[in-house]
Amino acid sequence: EPEVTQTPSHQVTQMGQEVILRCVPISNHLYFYWYRQILGQKVEFLVSFYNNEISEKSEIFDDQFSVERPDGSNFTLKIRSTKLEDSAMYFCASSEDGTGSFWGYTFGSGTRLTVV
Amino acid sequence: LAKTTQPISMDSYEGQEVNITCSHNNIATNDYITWYQQFPSQGPRFIIQGYKTKVTNEVASLFIPADRKSSTLSLPRVSLSDTAVYYCLVGDEVSGNTPLVFGKGTRLSVIA
Repeated sequence: EPEVTQTPSHQVTQMGQEVILRCVPISNHLYFYWYRQILGQKVEFLVSFYNNEISEKSEIFDDQFSVERPDGSNFTLKIRSTKLEDSAMYFCASSEDGTGSFWGYTFGSGTRLTVV
Repeated sequence: LAKTTQPISMDSYEGQEVNITCSHNNIATNDYITWYQQFPSQGPRFIIQGYKTKVTNEVASLFIPADRKSSTLSLPRVSLSDTAVYYCLVGDEVSGNTPLVFGKGTRLSVIA
């Protein structure tokens, strides 16, 4: 079964540092997403990406966040200057077609970001 | 997306059938009901989707009454590995790139 791959699985960074979280979506999927989950809380939508541009973003996705698809296979989330409250599990997801069908989402196993 | 209400948590013993009910009073005509499962330290995973009546797959069954204002996810003979958070989502499947928005879900704990 095709998978969404995320690296690293765990990253520790100092407050104020930049981090890049990496994802390899399923190859024939067209839509890409980042979500985050603070420990003990719900999964929160950050941003969706289609045709090399952001299609939707939440209020969480402020100027310190950016996304990129640098080479046609990777999908990255950059946090420019990390804060303690950015500590969370970050999930990448991709979906198959242009309808954004609810059943078509495949999530990765996540990157646990710890900001110290 | 229609607002949904589901229990915050449930406990069950191994081998029992578990039914998790989700209320969605404002469901629209074009909306589908979808359930996702999230194991600890993993991303959510699609398990089942339905529009009306009953849907069954190898993981679960989904029961939807005629008025569609609620739905019940049924897990037969649960095991310890079914311990997870279960999310009910309701929305129009063909509305374009509408991202999934998760609620708090139902935390199912299966006890030996």
